[in-house]
Amino acid sequence: GEDVEQSLFLSVREGDSSVINCTYTDSSSTYLYWYKQEPGAGLQLLTYIFSNMDMKQDQRLTVLLNKKDKHLSLRIADTQTGDSAIYFCAGLDRMEYGNKLVFGAGTILRVKS
Amino acid sequence: DTAVSQTPKYLVTQMGNDKSIKCEQNLGHDTMYWYKQDSKKFLKIMFSYNNKELIINETVPNRFSPKSPDKAHLNLHINSLELGDSAVYFCASSQDLGLDNEQFFGPGTRLTVL
Repeated sequence: GEDVEQSLFLSVREGDSSVINCTYTDSSSTYLYWYKQEPGAGLQLLTYIFSNMDMKQDQRLTVLLNKKDKHLSLRIADTQTGDSAIYFCAGLDRMEYGNKLVFGAGTILRVKS
Repeated sequence: DTAVSQTPKYLVTQMGNDKSIKCEQNLGHDTMYWYKQDSKKFLKIMFSYNNKELIINETVPNRFSPKSPDKAHLNLHINSLELGDSAVYFCASSQDLGLDNEQFFGPGTRLTVL
């Protein structure tokens, strides 16, 4: 099954770029995801990348996938105070009768003004 | 319009009690899930249902019994609550079991067992 690990905490200044890293174990994961959780709220899907891609860009978000090293990163350009949240990396564990998301422990992003 | 809703938002109860958390989605999705997020924010799937049928049961104690009366609802009943059950429980739904289907999460239910 899939196992996902992330760095636990990142602090940046407003306007800087943030890079959140994640490693996964299951090379057969078809999709890899980034979710955002704001305080007291549910999870919001930010972006995802298909395993045959190396990079995906969506406005201020850039996802890089290194399949050889099983490493996924999320870069947030021009980080704003509203980006302060917990960011979860997730891999899709394919099972015989269904698929399940396996989440990393989450990275707390703190943006200082 | 709320896509995935859960009630209650907060639940405080004594050890040994039985409680239920309700989840409803108005997205017309076939698949629904329950996740548990512990105090360290670690998020793990508990169950998934597709068309009212149990698909995934992640070695959750049998004190936890999900019930899906229809495709739009997946309720979670917990018997004999224990201190370790204290967590935030998230319901989610997706179109179906397809690999590329986004999961939409509810706002969570914070359960505190005293």
